[in-house]
Amino acid sequence: KAGVTQTPRYLIKTRGQQVTLSCSPISGHRSVSWYQQTPGQGLQFLFEYFSETQRNKGNFPGRFSGRQFSNSRSEMNVSTLELGDSALYLCASSLGFNQPQHFGDGTRLSIL
Amino acid sequence: AQRVTQPEKLLSVFKGAPVELKCNYSYSGSPELFWYVQYSRQRLQLLLRHISRESIKGFTADLNKGETSFHLKKPFAQEEDSAMYYCALKGSGNTPLVFGKGTRLSVIA
Repeated sequence: KAGVTQTPRYLIKTRGQQVTLSCSPISGHRSVSWYQQTPGQGLQFLFEYFSETQRNKGNFPGRFSGRQFSNSRSEMNVSTLELGDSALYLCASSLGFNQPQHFGDGTRLSIL
Repeated sequence: AQRVTQPEKLLSVFKGAPVELKCNYSYSGSPELFWYVQYSRQRLQLLLRHISRESIKGFTADLNKGETSFHLKKPFAQEEDSAMYYCALKGSGNTPLVFGKGTRLSVIA
């Protein structure tokens, strides 16, 4: 069974631009969560989607948004990029509520 | 609010020595606790969850509700145990998974 796939693996952007990251969950998984990982803050929760509905949202500004499609694939978007948005963005999928999460390799975003 | 604290950023032990990675949590209800591990150049993966009460790769963790702890233990460390370990908590109801900041375990030969 294929694991969680995140694309692209690396991105370089400049301040003020916007970016879209993609996540394909494990087949059959309907829940997708996004995390931001930085050396100083560790893993911080961004959002969680289940069946195209946002179930939870972390404490991030409105510049961070996401969505989930009917095939459970998910995207997250960050607008007006800031230097502090440089991080590894991880996606995780699970069968559903309270089930263990399976992580992708992440997208490393660098802001110049 | 849910909070997970891993007091040690780095833990170094000799091969064959016992290992204990500490995890304390703050949550008023009945939590579900997890340990995740990230080996070098690999993705983050689930190591164990408290409701399974199983031993994975020789590691065990017991939920102590009185001390609000979920420490990860292994009696004899191996070099291949060197990795980043994250403790995580999921509260009841519609709550997200919250991670601690992680502890890097280094097993010295």
